Amino acid sequence: AQKVTQAQTEISVVEKEDVTLDCVYETRDTTYYLFWYKQPPSGELVFLIRRNSFDEQNEISGRYSWNFQKSTSSFNFTITASQVVDSAVYFCALSCGYGGSQGNLIFGKGTKLSVKP
Amino acid sequence: AAGVIQSPRHLIKEKRETATLKCYPIPRHDTVYWYQQGPGQDPQFLISFYEKMQSDKGSIPDRFSAQQFSDYHSELNMSSLELGDSALYFCASTPGRESSEDTQYFGPGTRLTVL
Repeated sequence: AQKVTQAQTEISVVEKEDVTLDCVYETRDTTYYLFWYKQPPSGELVFLIRRNSFDEQNEISGRYSWNFQKSTSSFNFTITASQVVDSAVYFCALSCGYGGSQGNLIFGKGTKLSVKP
Repeated sequence: AAGVIQSPRHLIKEKRETATLKCYPIPRHDTVYWYQQGPGQDPQFLISFYEKMQSDKGSIPDRFSAQQFSDYHSELNMSSLELGDSALYFCASTPGRESSEDTQYFGPGTRLTVL
């Protein structure tokens, strides 16, 4: 069975602090895809990053970075120098379908990040 | 760039009424997914369509049905509405299995309130 665990329900930081959101996944498939989505208070789901199971390279995009480690089945997300606009619920998700990434997304419960000025 | 369009954005219904939610995928996207997100919950997969055929089914109640039309837009039909159906309903689309770019991009959601 596939499962995504985000153990941190809520995190509160002060602006400019670095924060890491944890994501642990379970799957028996050898081909799978991992995603992070951001859901601000307005409610939409904003795509942040997609990683396939064969690409363990870490990625940096501005203040965002992702650390994918197959050995620990983790796909953690770090925000450097957090800003108030980063306040949102962040979802980690897993897709394992059809030998590609066309399967439905399995979401973690989400981590609510509050960044205070 | 064009995004996924969902209508209506907000819908208020009474118990036992019916509702129809519409989704217009990104142009040239042929795969559509529907998700339901209850208050404080993570999105749950309901159903998906590829090239106008149902491709996968999740935790969709029997009271709900959906289809994808020839122009690739999709509709989610919900009957005998219950209070527990109050949720945010998302549609997502991808370019399809022939494309290497298959990230699911989400629409803004339809917020359904059942009174």
